[in-house]
Amino acid sequence: EAGVAQSPRYKIIEKRQSVAFWCNPISGHATLYWYQQILGQGPKLLIQFQNNGVVDDSQLPKDRFSAERLKGVDSTLKIQPAKLEDSAVYLCASSLDPGTGVQYEQYFGPGTRLTVT
Amino acid sequence: RKEVEQDPGPFNVPEGATVAFNCTYSNSASQSFFWYRQDCRKEPKLLMSVYSSGNEDGRFTAQLNRASQYISLLIRDSKLSDSATYLCVVKWWGQNFVFGPGTRLSVLP
Repeated sequence: EAGVAQSPRYKIIEKRQSVAFWCNPISGHATLYWYQQILGQGPKLLIQFQNNGVVDDSQLPKDRFSAERLKGVDSTLKIQPAKLEDSAVYLCASSLDPGTGVQYEQYFGPGTRLTVT
Repeated sequence: RKEVEQDPGPFNVPEGATVAFNCTYSNSASQSFFWYRQDCRKEPKLLMSVYSSGNEDGRFTAQLNRASQYISLLIRDSKLSDSATYLCVVKWWGQNFVFGPGTRLSVLP
């Protein structure tokens, strides 16, 4: 079974530039998560989708971050404009979550390492 | 107070040692608990869920103490391959997963 795919794996940009990350979850997984992991910290949830609807985006800095999952499968996360403090690893995860409230294991992709200079 | 707290370590232990990590959480209305393992520059992977009665998986034992609001992970007979960061994860009713900052373990030969 293919895992969660993410691209690019690495990205270096200057502050005030824009960047986009892509994620393709495991086939059949209804729920998709985007996390930000700053060095030395645990992952912090940015946004959760169930199918193509947003379940939780309370910690997404909406003035600069946006995410979409238009067809309920793959997703993109965008930062515009980037700040120095956005330097982190952006992890995508997916889980089965049939919508019954049962939380299944989250499977993480390899992440995108973003450096903002 | 942070929602999920862990001792950052590092814990440096010799091979064969037994090591225990604790994790405390702030909200008593918690639903589910997990331990994830994260190798250096890799993604987190589920190590084990934590059940109310405690559970064991080989050399790993997880315990939950709801009254004191902490969970623990015990690793027996440590292997070099156990070297990693161990992330405590808590989910509250109606809210999403919250990850702790992680505890770094180094098993030394």
